[in-house]
Amino acid sequence: GQQLNQSPQSMFIQEGEDVSMNCTSSSIFNTWLWYKQDPGEGPVLLIALYKAGELTSNGRLTAQFGITRKDSFLNISASIPSDVGIYFCAGQVRTGTASKLTFGTGTRLQVTL
Amino acid sequence: DSGVTQTPKHLITATGQRVTLRCSPRSGDLSVYWYQQSLDQGLQFLIQYYNGEERAKGNILERFSAQQFPDLHSELNLSSLELGDSALYFCASSSRGLALLGNTGELFFGEGSRLTVL
Repeated sequence: GQQLNQSPQSMFIQEGEDVSMNCTSSSIFNTWLWYKQDPGEGPVLLIALYKAGELTSNGRLTAQFGITRKDSFLNISASIPSDVGIYFCAGQVRTGTASKLTFGTGTRLQVTL
Repeated sequence: DSGVTQTPKHLITATGQRVTLRCSPRSGDLSVYWYQQSLDQGLQFLIQYYNGEERAKGNILERFSAQQFPDLHSELNLSSLELGDSALYFCASSSRGLALLGNTGELFFGEGSRLTVL
């Protein structure tokens, strides 16, 4: 099935470093979302983007909706140990009364002290 | 706590068997989604229900079926299980299943049901 290409697949960084990850697709999406999954838990929404070019922040997190509507970026500044987890991008397409959310392959983030 | 409840949390069964996974959405949410997450894989969309009706279908195998009941809880039935069906199955709910302005697309996920097929 369709999946978004997310990179990098994994990252090992030191506490305090900034992190950048991105998501690309061959399809256009109406909405881009970023989720985080902690071990043993379901994904939790971090940021939602609704317009092409939109830049939105949530604390140390900043995400952008690409101009082409085919990509999105997530940045985490000054990483801390609790940032560890898997980050998923998701693109939403609304057609009629159906709303389909397609997830990226995930970026696994490890933070070392 | 997302408010979405999934049972069972863990399930071990044999090939060829049939299992049923259950999901109770957040109070008031009309839409239920099912996703499959295999080891080191992303989330694969299986199916969406809105107020009892099927709304969208992803890569759901013919051996799998789902339904949403009048009380809005949903069940995912997996039959003739194969080794490759071993995965985490997530249920998610949202308040809006319609293409309305302001539909955030925000899904609230349960903690998942881990299925192991031996």
